Amino acid sequence: DTEVTQTPKHLVMGMTNKKSLKCEQHMGHRAMYWYKQKAKKPPELMFVYSYEKLSINESVPSRFSPECPNSSLLNLHLHALQPEDSALYLCASSLGQGPSGTGELFFGEGSRLTVL
Amino acid sequence: SQKIEQNSEALNIQEGKTATLTCNYTNYSPAYLQWYRQDPGRGPVFLLLIRENEKEKRKERLKVTFDTTLKQSLFHITASQPADSATYLCALDARGNTPLVFGKGTRLSVIA
Repeated sequence: DTEVTQTPKHLVMGMTNKKSLKCEQHMGHRAMYWYKQKAKKPPELMFVYSYEKLSINESVPSRFSPECPNSSLLNLHLHALQPEDSALYLCASSLGQGPSGTGELFFGEGSRLTVL
Repeated sequence: SQKIEQNSEALNIQEGKTATLTCNYTNYSPAYLQWYRQDPGRGPVFLLLIRENEKEKRKERLKVTFDTTLKQSLFHITASQPADSATYLCALDARGNTPLVFGKGTRLSVIA
């Protein structure tokens, strides 16, 4: 069983809806990540939080809004999404993310998002 | 520009044989190279990490090599089993506060 928990596992939403994806880890990791993955493609980095501060935003559209309320939680707020945003959204954590590299990533099982 | 390539999109092998997957990179100086396994519809699972000053790493039936001169890593699964069928991703881990970069993955099918 993964130690990174993502909810919901599946989400269907319309283009005008507002929803959130949630991620939780209790391993004491100080870096948390959101990835987007389309079918038969590698995970694509969206955001990195390091010590609860946003450290990397890979030019993600503003309809995706990340939030890190504390060191264990990571949210991704969704608003006015497009059908092409349908994908598997993966949360991950690592001990840290800094000058020495990232180290092992622990991924959650993902949230399968469908935008109608 | 920086590039990471996993040469085979798909690889089919017979049960019991050794599967060898390749990861090449250019314009990159990774501190580490990582390998992950991903099953359909699930998150990747970490398998092995090898440092730039290590030539080889083993874990049970898995072996990873890292050649910084050739800019290549090889991932071997010995005595392969149908349960090893999955997509295997390599990822470069560089210094300087940069995130992991994933290759496109190789989909391995082990046929009984």
